[in-house]
Amino acid sequence: DTEVTQTPKHLVMGMTNKKSLKCEQHMGHRAMYWYKQKAKKPPELMFVYSYEKLSINESVPSRFSPECPNSSLLNLHLHALQPEDSALYLCASSQGYLGRMNTEAFFGQGTRLTVV
Amino acid sequence: SQQGEEDPQALSIQEGENATMNCSYKTSINNLQWYRQNSGRGLVHLILIRSNEREKHSGRLRVTLDTSKKSSSLLITASRAADTASYFCATAPGYSTLTFGKGTMLLVSP
Repeated sequence: DTEVTQTPKHLVMGMTNKKSLKCEQHMGHRAMYWYKQKAKKPPELMFVYSYEKLSINESVPSRFSPECPNSSLLNLHLHALQPEDSALYLCASSQGYLGRMNTEAFFGQGTRLTVV
Repeated sequence: SQQGEEDPQALSIQEGENATMNCSYKTSINNLQWYRQNSGRGLVHLILIRSNEREKHSGRLRVTLDTSKKSSSLLITASRAADTASYFCATAPGYSTLTFGKGTMLLVSP
């Protein structure tokens, strides 16, 4: 199984809502990532988890709250978002650190988020 | 911050033609990777080239790396309509993350 599964595929939420994005992989990867991608732009890193611990937070606003309940799951909790947070949110995983171990990242299909 | 810059931003070719995309980056790297993204979907890994490699092939893909010029190229030979996608180069300037370039949108017409 070389898949990263993200749910839901689409999400529309109001600015006062609380919602969560979910990501799951069963490849035994110990590094997991959240990326944000706006239209016609490259993905931008948000968070990196390594061995279920948050290792990198790219100065992401606190209305985005990541969680790694176990080695296979990664969540992104959303609260009080703004319309400009509308984007494609991508989850990825890798066997190890991407630079040091010369390994590739596996991406999910993303969650298309619209904040109204 | 962005590490890679792709060139051209957009490329339109006919089926059967070759497509060449270039990528420049700024800092030293351990490897450079190329990914494909179909219309707002997830990214798919295409090929990884290590900093001590100069050229690598995978099927119809050929990647070169010139660390002295901090640049890489991706060549897709005998393109097909199914190759229509955005192509991103990505580097790992640190040891734990991937930083993507701006991407090249490739359109292959039948």
